[in-house]
Amino acid sequence: DTAVSQTPKYLVTQMGNDKSIKCEQNLGHDTMYWYKQDSKKFLKIMFSYNNKELIINETVPNRFSPKSPDKAHLNLHINSLELGDSAVYFCASSQTSGGNIQYFGAGTRLSVL
Amino acid sequence: GQQVMQIPQYQHVQEGEDFTTYCNSSTTLSNIQWYKQRPGGHPVFLIQLVKSGEVKKQKRLTFQFGEAKKNSSLHITATQTTDVGTYFCAPPEGNSGAGSYQLTFGKGTKLSVIP
Repeated sequence: DTAVSQTPKYLVTQMGNDKSIKCEQNLGHDTMYWYKQDSKKFLKIMFSYNNKELIINETVPNRFSPKSPDKAHLNLHINSLELGDSAVYFCASSQTSGGNIQYFGAGTRLSVL
Repeated sequence: GQQVMQIPQYQHVQEGEDFTTYCNSSTTLSNIQWYKQRPGGHPVFLIQLVKSGEVKKQKRLTFQFGEAKKNSSLHITATQTTDVGTYFCAPPEGNSGAGSYQLTFGKGTKLSVIP
């Protein structure tokens, strides 16, 4: 049983397309996150959701929109993909009462052509 | 926001040599976490340090939190090829009472071990 699962693992698409990445956690955590890791391996937080409320929203383009149907899911929708969006996107979850140790999904490698 | 500097950015060692990565902050940290990311993998939690001057060990890994809680280090004794990966320090931001902890990841130290 994978604790944090995200799909797809690989995503190759053309510029201008719209795509979604899904994330689910079965840990019962109350907070979920999306990170972007660029080619230099820098990990930057994009969004976090706590109990279905967006509580952190870094300065990412509004082409990126997180959607959380329930506290076990946090999906990432990207409109009008650009070349610079190519990166690995990681979903993570944590429990605020558990020291906020973050558990990461395996990542989605997005390539925009 | 929280800024941490992690050094070195890269380290190449011969198998069996020791390795240390350092994480420095200009502000006092409430705690700090360390993560390891294997090549092609995802970050995996290693340890959390909370107390001033705290030292924790996991087999060949020794983690330290500075007395002033502004710096931390990870030391690996007698590296093995399985230690290859990028090590990130990550202090939290935010107020747990607000229900959210954002982690600010350092830029990481990429460790290569030459067999």
